[in-house]
This record gives sequence, structure tokens and C-alpha cells, in this order.
Amino acid sequence: DAGITQSPRYKITETGRQVTLMCHQTWSHSYMFWYRQDLGHGLRLIYYSAAADITDKGEVPDGYVVSRSKTENFPLTLESATRSQTSVYFCASTRQRSSYEQYFGPGTRLTVT
Amino acid sequence: AQSVTQLDSQVPVFEEAPVELRCNYSSSVSVYLFWYVQYPNQGLQLLLKYLSGSTLVESINGFEAEFNKSQTSFHLRKPSVHISDTAEYFCAVSEGGSEKLVFGKGTKLTVNP
Repeated sequence: DAGITQSPRYKITETGRQVTLMCHQTWSHSYMFWYRQDLGHGLRLIYYSAAADITDKGEVPDGYVVSRSKTENFPLTLESATRSQTSVYFCASTRQRSSYEQYFGPGTRLTVT
Repeated sequence: AQSVTQLDSQVPVFEEAPVELRCNYSSSVSVYLFWYVQYPNQGLQLLLKYLSGSTLVESINGFEAEFNKSQTSFHLRKPSVHISDTAEYFCAVSEGGSEKLVFGKGTKLTVNP
């Protein structure tokens, strides 16, 4: 039972490079979310998806792109990484709208130099 | 817009002492309330939730929280903490049944021997 996984777990990249963070869940959950966690800010929602091919912006979407061609995958792309995007990124999923419990992946620590 | 305030960023306590982690929210509509826990280098896990019914909710490991509508609060309590309770705790709100959660900035609980 793999649950929800993220890859890579750690990534160092340079300013201006494109980087993609992967998220995969094995439960066929409808909803998936991307958060970033920064000291003093808690978790902030970047993008979320209600189903395959349905995505919407969260609180801090600028500089990020998402896609969801398959229910189980929800990749997050930084098109041109900036130092302000250095953060820990968490993916989460929930079975249906009324479930409310979100299941979180282990996180990806991204450093932009 | 809804917001969540966790009044203490850090709470140090001694083992077997009681603890209260405070959470206040602002919303003009009905809300669902959650506490998540994050152990070091891990993702978040749901600790407990209030959706409806009894305003006092409990977790399996001895934590409890009480929904107080008049004070717009959802404080987390435990009568006797253990070393293993050391973690960061996040309060979260879902407004009007939305699938999206808004998180507080977190409270780091450190239990000392």
C-alpha cells in the first residue's frame, strides 16, 4: 500500500531552470493539492485539482504550472525557478469533497541557488 | 476571507504536564475545523476534526479539541503530554464545505524530560 509518494525527496537547482516535482497516489482519490511550507507562513495552497483535467489556482500560484492527465498523478512544474521558491513542497489528496481529510505525501525539499 | 490564527509559534512543556495549543479563526459562514500534526521530516497527518455534532472531539492518542462558535476558537488540549508528542501542530479551516483548507502558521510543541 504505497499511498501517496513524492519525488524527488530533495532537489537542488539553479535560478532560471525548469524543475518538475512529481506526486503519485494509489488510492484513485479525486482531489489533489500542492502546498508549500515556509517558516513563519505555515502551509499555503499553490494549486489543486478536483479530477483529471480539472485544475484551479490556490493562494500562491504565480511561477508554477500544474497538469493532471491521469487521476493518480499531479506534477508541479516551476517554469523558471527563483530563490523565493526555495521551500518544502507537499502534495496531498482526498477521496471526495465531503471526506475533508487530506492525506499528505512526505514532501520535497527544493533549494534554488 | 477566512483566516486561521495560531497564537503561539512555540510551546515548550515538561513531560506529563498539560498543554493547550490555541487556534482562532475568522469566517462569516459555517466552518469545518481540523488539527493536523507533523512529526520531524514527515508530511502532515490528521489528528482530529470537527464537522458537526458534539463540540468536543477527541483523538486516539489523548488529544481533544473543543469548537467554540461564539469565540471562534478550536483549541487543542492534552492533560498529560509525552516526549513522543513533540511535533508541529497545524490548525486548519474549511469554509462552507469547501474542499480547500486554510492552515494556520503552526505551533511547535516541544516536550522536555
